[in-house]
Amino acid sequence: DAGVIQSPRHEVTEMGQEVTLRCKPISGHDYLFWYRQTMMRGLELLIYFNNNVPIDDSGMPEDRFSAKMPNASFSTLKIQPSEPRDSAVYFCASSFRGRVDVYGYTFGSGTRLTVV
Amino acid sequence: AQSVAQPEDQVNVAEGNPLTVKCTYSVSGNPYLFWYVQYPNRGLQFLLKYITGDNLVKGSYGFEAEFNKSQTSFHLKKPSALVSDSALYFCAVRSADRGSTLGRLYFGRGTQLTVWP
Repeated sequence: DAGVIQSPRHEVTEMGQEVTLRCKPISGHDYLFWYRQTMMRGLELLIYFNNNVPIDDSGMPEDRFSAKMPNASFSTLKIQPSEPRDSAVYFCASSFRGRVDVYGYTFGSGTRLTVV
Repeated sequence: AQSVAQPEDQVNVAEGNPLTVKCTYSVSGNPYLFWYVQYPNRGLQFLLKYITGDNLVKGSYGFEAEFNKSQTSFHLKKPSALVSDSALYFCAVRSADRGSTLGRLYFGRGTQLTVWP
């Protein structure tokens, strides 16, 4: 298995532009999580899905952020319009409910977003 | 509510010395506990876990962690630190209760470990 795949690895964009981050979870995993990591706030859970359905989006900072999971093998996190304070590393992670007590999550390598 | 506290933002040790990274938790019922490590420009990687059984669990790269139920702690330890152990370490918890939020782990803020040569 190739693990959790995120794209792009790096994204530099201008303030006001739309940004789309992508994630492919491990095949068979039914939970998908989006996290944001900054020096100031540490690791923040933004939203998570179970069987493609959003379960908790209370961590999404504001309406500029949206996430979708159209099928079991793909999810997107979109920021529109982007602002400099959105600059962070965004991680996607997946897990299989029956095995979260065995291996926890599997994280992707992250997308480093810079908004200038 | 489920939560994790890592009271130290930074831990500095000399190579060859023992290291401890502290973690305390709060859950209803019994906990599932995890340690993850993050190297620069990488995602978090699983290091070790406590689910049940022996309070001392061993993981990758010579790390171990001791579960202490009375103190609600799960400190990460290594007898002899290496420079290559320098990384960001996260503790995470989930209640073992079937009624809890299934699938979700609660992470601490992370502790930056620096091992000096």
